[in-house]
Amino acid sequence: GAVVSQHPSWVICKSGTSVKIECRSLDFQATTMFWYRQFPKQSLMLMATSNEGSKATYEQGVEKDKFLINHASLTLSTLTVTSAHPEDSSFYICSARDSEREVGTQYFGPGTRLLVL
Amino acid sequence: GQNIDQPTEMTATEGAIVQINCTYQTSGFNGLFWYQQHAGEAPTFLSYNVLDGLEEKGRFSSFLSRSKGYSYLLLKELQMKDSASYLCAVTDSNYQLIWGAGTKLIIKP
Repeated sequence: GAVVSQHPSWVICKSGTSVKIECRSLDFQATTMFWYRQFPKQSLMLMATSNEGSKATYEQGVEKDKFLINHASLTLSTLTVTSAHPEDSSFYICSARDSEREVGTQYFGPGTRLLVL
Repeated sequence: GQNIDQPTEMTATEGAIVQINCTYQTSGFNGLFWYQQHAGEAPTFLSYNVLDGLEEKGRFSSFLSRSKGYSYLLLKELQMKDSASYLCAVTDSNYQLIWGAGTKLIIKP
């Protein structure tokens, strides 16, 4: 149990295009999902907390107009990188919190590698 | 401020035992997690401690002392596949997960 999927796993796009990444909890409902970014050889960096039915909470320094988050259902959150640029190239990982399990446990998706040319 | 400290890198020998320490200072405490992350992959959940003491799961054990703000992850009978980064994370009073920078564990034959 507690499986989280992400799609796509790889994205290569031209500078200026928008990219949408989906995060799904497959066997549990997640009122809260999290979006992280990880650059090579660096630690996870929380970008935003996504709450079902309400606006996402962004971490300091993360542009909410550039990284659009939609959490429309209890099993799906999407992150859209708008007008992507080469500096947005990174490993984007989502996680979901299962409220039925240990408090606060996050289960991670496999991640999405974004390369902006 | 909130802070989690763990060693940057550790080296151990296949078949041996290694202990990865984590100390934390957070605003409130609602549990401590250990995650394993292999290079190029997303983290996977290893353990959760909310009460003091030792939790054992096969070759992996995790210990917590809330009064000392301290935890460790103990890996026994090390295998080459255990080479990975091990992330310590604490849930604070707002149930926000505060991450350590991770400990890169290198296993040598």
